[in-house]
Amino acid sequence: EVQLVESGGGLVQPGGSLRLSCAASGFNFDSYEMVWVRQAPGTGLEWVSRISAGSSWTSYADSVKGRFTISRDNAKNLLYLQMNSLRAEDTAVYYCASYFGSGWPFDHWGQGTLVTVSS
Amino acid sequence: EIVMTQSPDTLSVSPGERATLSCRASQSVSSNLAWYQHKPGQAPRLLIYGASTRATGIPARFSGSGSGTEFTLTISGLQSEDFAIYYCQQYNNWPPWTFGQGTKVEVK
Repeated sequence: EVQLVESGGGLVQPGGSLRLSCAASGFNFDSYEMVWVRQAPGTGLEWVSRISAGSSWTSYADSVKGRFTISRDNAKNLLYLQMNSLRAEDTAVYYCASYFGSGWPFDHWGQGTLVTVSS
Repeated sequence: EIVMTQSPDTLSVSPGERATLSCRASQSVSSNLAWYQHKPGQAPRLLIYGASTRATGIPARFSGSGSGTEFTLTISGLQSEDFAIYYCQQYNNWPPWTFGQGTKVEVK
């Protein structure tokens, strides 16, 4: 069974940092590209970042570019999102999801981890 | 960036009835369109990809149609577990991948 389990969320002050993790199991993690998607309170889904299977390529939404860094450890089946210079508008549930590559949808998702940026 | 617009924002349907949800793209996304179901506190679930192909394990009462800029998700014979928020997403031109704002299907 495919499982994606996020962790690392919590309450952080504006300007602070947080690192999210996503533990993957039940599939060939190193063959899949991975993304982070977030949902702010009362809003819809917003793609945040993407990383290729071998970590060669990364992409970021304009809203997080220069502040967030995506990475992965294929030996440990782990995906990360390092979030720096956090703002109130980064408050959201953060989901990790997998996809097979260009031309494929996000086929499996985790249940999310809540990040709250507040003083 | 491709803008995805869903309608209506909220759909009130009685159990057993049919629900029809629409999604429009600001430019053609070919058939690279997915539908997701999302319930509070749960992981989003892939329902439809390629505009009309059901994902593994998705019941036949869910069907998708359309191509280019106009898409439809139909849920025939709504069951209690189908009341949720539904999102369309384009994966034709990325980054960014973009989602519609969601349609909430609620009990009438």
